[in-house]
Amino acid sequence: EPEVTQTPSHQVTQMGQEVILRCVPISNHLYFYWYRQILGQKVEFLVSFYNNEISEKSEIFDDQFSVERPDGSNFTLKIRSTKLEDSAMYFCASSVAGRDQPQHFGDGTRLSIL
Amino acid sequence: SQQGEEDPQALSIQEGENATMNCSYKTSINNLQWYRQNSGRGLVHLILIRSNEREKHSGRLRVTLDTSKKSSSLLITASRAADTASYFCATDSYFQGGSEKLVFGKGTKLTVNP
Repeated sequence: EPEVTQTPSHQVTQMGQEVILRCVPISNHLYFYWYRQILGQKVEFLVSFYNNEISEKSEIFDDQFSVERPDGSNFTLKIRSTKLEDSAMYFCASSVAGRDQPQHFGDGTRLSIL
Repeated sequence: SQQGEEDPQALSIQEGENATMNCSYKTSINNLQWYRQNSGRGLVHLILIRSNEREKHSGRLRVTLDTSKKSSSLLITASRAADTASYFCATDSYFQGGSEKLVFGKGTKLTVNP
């Protein structure tokens, strides 16, 4: 069964450094999402992406965050200048359509900011 | 606003027993979805129920939705040790504008003892 893959599984970065989290969504999916889960807390929506542009973003997704689909298969989340509070699990998800469809999640990238 | 609050927070049962988890939410929804998360892994989609549906089945899973009470329940029948995981409900309210985004609860941690 096709699945969403994320790399790396664990990223350790110094505060203030840039980090790029990578995702390969399921190939025929058109809608892409990033969520994050701080340890012990809820999974939170960050951003949705369709037709090469952001559809919606949350308050968390400030100017330090950006997303890109550089080559038609990868979907990346960049954090320009990481803060301690960015430490979390980051999940990428994709869905075949934007309405009433399940979202398929990757296994996540654990981001640790030192 | 908070959505998708599950209860109980933790549930421990014996193999073969049924497990029932509940979810309450606050705003109107288009659909409600249940996901499972094994420790350290991503979210696995279980079932989606639309706002005009009252009950849905998938294998050993039964989901009900009561939009008048803004609540849903997930029943796992004849539980197995492999069902041990955290279970999350997530609501989707795309009619409020914007793209589909899921709003997750904190989850119920289910332990099935062999």
